[in-house]
Amino acid sequence: DTGVSQDPRHKITKRGQNVTFRCDPISEHNRLYWYRQTLGQGPEFLTYFQNEAQLEKSRLLSDRFSAERPKGSFSTLEIQRTEQGDSAMYLCASSFAAVSSYEQYFGPGTRLTVT
Amino acid sequence: QKEVEQNSGPLSVPEGAIASLNCTYSDRGSQSFFWYRQYSGKSPELIMFIYSNGDKEDGRFTAQLNKASQYVSLLIRDSQPSDSATYLCALNTGGFKTIFGAGTRLFVKA
Repeated sequence: DTGVSQDPRHKITKRGQNVTFRCDPISEHNRLYWYRQTLGQGPEFLTYFQNEAQLEKSRLLSDRFSAERPKGSFSTLEIQRTEQGDSAMYLCASSFAAVSSYEQYFGPGTRLTVT
Repeated sequence: QKEVEQNSGPLSVPEGAIASLNCTYSDRGSQSFFWYRQYSGKSPELIMFIYSNGDKEDGRFTAQLNKASQYVSLLIRDSQPSDSATYLCALNTGGFKTIFGAGTRLFVKA
């Protein structure tokens, strides 16, 4: 499968615990995005990497959220001290940096439930 | 005003009909426009993108863009029950950030 992959697909955790999600983008894609989606809403931008550099982080992302992309390949998104409001689908997408090309391809998502 | 506005639906059409999905946006600097299809419980799937005013056709799908009216639409011809999903309109203003609408639910009746 040469698409975007995410792991785990589902995560149930108790409030206050830390969780980490992984995303493996399409191999030739150097742009990687994280989004959060709640029921009835479109994906909401969280952060963006071009290669290993994190170029933007949404104001919506509190200090409890951190993302990395070492070596410009896979990326991880960590949420510390989870809260019930963090329950959502976390989506990763990737794209190839080219002039006027912003098409993004999504992975299957990680559904987080905080109890 | 939301940056990307879509009617939440549901839009119900009979099988074989044309489904018309509409989207308006507020930022006149928007340059790239996308339609994603999202089945319940699944992630969004890119089905169309359009960068220039006018129509762009791909199989049963036609995207229409009118930058002067800040309007983009998606037509689905010969609608099938398998087209029943939420359709997300998205745009990019020239940087890295893509903004999504909340989506329109489409239901195709067999």
